[in-house]
Amino acid sequence: DTGVSQDPRHKITKRGQNVTFRCDPISEHNRLYWYRQTLGQGPEFLTYFQNEAQLEKSRLLSDRFSAERPKGSFSTLEIQRTEQGDSAMYLCASRPTPNTDTQYFGPGTRLTVL
Amino acid sequence: DAKTTQPNSMESNEEEPVHLPCNHSTISGTDYIHWYRQLPSQGPEYVIHGLTSNVNNRMASLAIAEDRKSSTLILHRATLRDAAVYYCILSGVGNEKLTFGTGTRLTIIP
Repeated sequence: DTGVSQDPRHKITKRGQNVTFRCDPISEHNRLYWYRQTLGQGPEFLTYFQNEAQLEKSRLLSDRFSAERPKGSFSTLEIQRTEQGDSAMYLCASRPTPNTDTQYFGPGTRLTVL
Repeated sequence: DAKTTQPNSMESNEEEPVHLPCNHSTISGTDYIHWYRQLPSQGPEYVIHGLTSNVNNRMASLAIAEDRKSSTLILHRATLRDAAVYYCILSGVGNEKLTFGTGTRLTIIP
């Protein structure tokens, strides 16, 4: 069990650029979650997958955001035409089965939009 | 989601017990009480959860009031590595997302 990994750990971009983050969940965890955390706040839910199916999306996930999990393993989160308000920590979590309550979080990707 | 209320911050001396309170007066009968913590520059980490009975694990204890409208996370002997933001979260059966508040920032004084 190597834990949830995220790449990159830090990303600095200019406003208007596209960025993509990757999350590798714990092996065989079929549920994968994305959260966003701004300074001084707790994480906020964005979306989650069961295997390759995206089952719920928050209203926070605007049209500029898209998440995929094509083979039911790793996931990507893309932000198009980044805005300064997108600056945040993007956290990924995974969970082994529906009957296990615990979510295991990765270290996050810190995005700074200049 | 039912709301939780936690103090913004608390301080404790190293090697002493810490009691972190959480109020959740609108909790429903099927809501579990979860505690996560977030160390600096890390993602949240599961601490403990329970439904009605008090729970113990290697990290902490969870004391749940009889009416379930409040709970207390107990760290039996705080260390400097316990300095973190602690989140109390309610989650019902089938609810996939965790709804975090702003949590309690715990400072450990050497």
